Amino acid sequence: DAMVIQNPRYQVTQFGKPVTLSCSQTLNHNVMYWYQQKSSQAPKLLFHYYDKDFNNEADTPDNFQSRRPNTSFCFLDIRSPGLGDAAMYLCATSKGGGETQYFGPGTRLLVL
Amino acid sequence: AQSVTQLDSHVSVSEGTPVLLRCNYSSSYSPSLFWYVQHPNKGLQLLLKYTSAATLVKGINGFEAEFKKSETSFHLTKPSAHMSDAAEYFCVVTLGSNDYKLSFGAGTTVTVRA
Repeated sequence: DAMVIQNPRYQVTQFGKPVTLSCSQTLNHNVMYWYQQKSSQAPKLLFHYYDKDFNNEADTPDNFQSRRPNTSFCFLDIRSPGLGDAAMYLCATSKGGGETQYFGPGTRLLVL
Repeated sequence: AQSVTQLDSHVSVSEGTPVLLRCNYSSSYSPSLFWYVQHPNKGLQLLLKYTSAATLVKGINGFEAEFKKSETSFHLTKPSAHMSDAAEYFCVVTLGSNDYKLSFGAGTTVTVRA
């Protein structure tokens, strides 16, 4: 089945220690998204790629970076995680803008 | 700009009874509307989508939603709740082909009593 895969499902890191979260897709979609979701809140868009074009949300902290080496993979890098970065991180894909977004299972990040 | 209001933060129903989750939206254009469900520690799963075709949209797991333009509503219903329906539900709107950012409602938590 075509799907969005996120690894790992749970990630523990230390305060200030860089961490990378991974997302892959078999849907061959043009757009890949990263969302941050804190407890009891709706997901918040961090950035998205249309193909290789990167689009950052205005309020996304510089601490968050992303890479998309090819169509299938997209990475979220948190350069110096703080306690406030503990959250669920969701990857999603879509064919294009305004199209249905398909979400992965998420990676729950814990910062100690 | 568009926005989404989910009118109930928490809905509790008995198993086998109907479920109604209310959503109102505001948009300057003809929007696309979605309902997603999220079970604990899982990603979001698409329940159904409205894109200006039939106003009554049928989704997965027995859910359906009706788009009412005059009321700017997109309420989600299910005739008979199951224990597995206990989850968080998000009503979402997007404008069109150049809109990559989903506008989420605050979410409605559904609990199902045995």
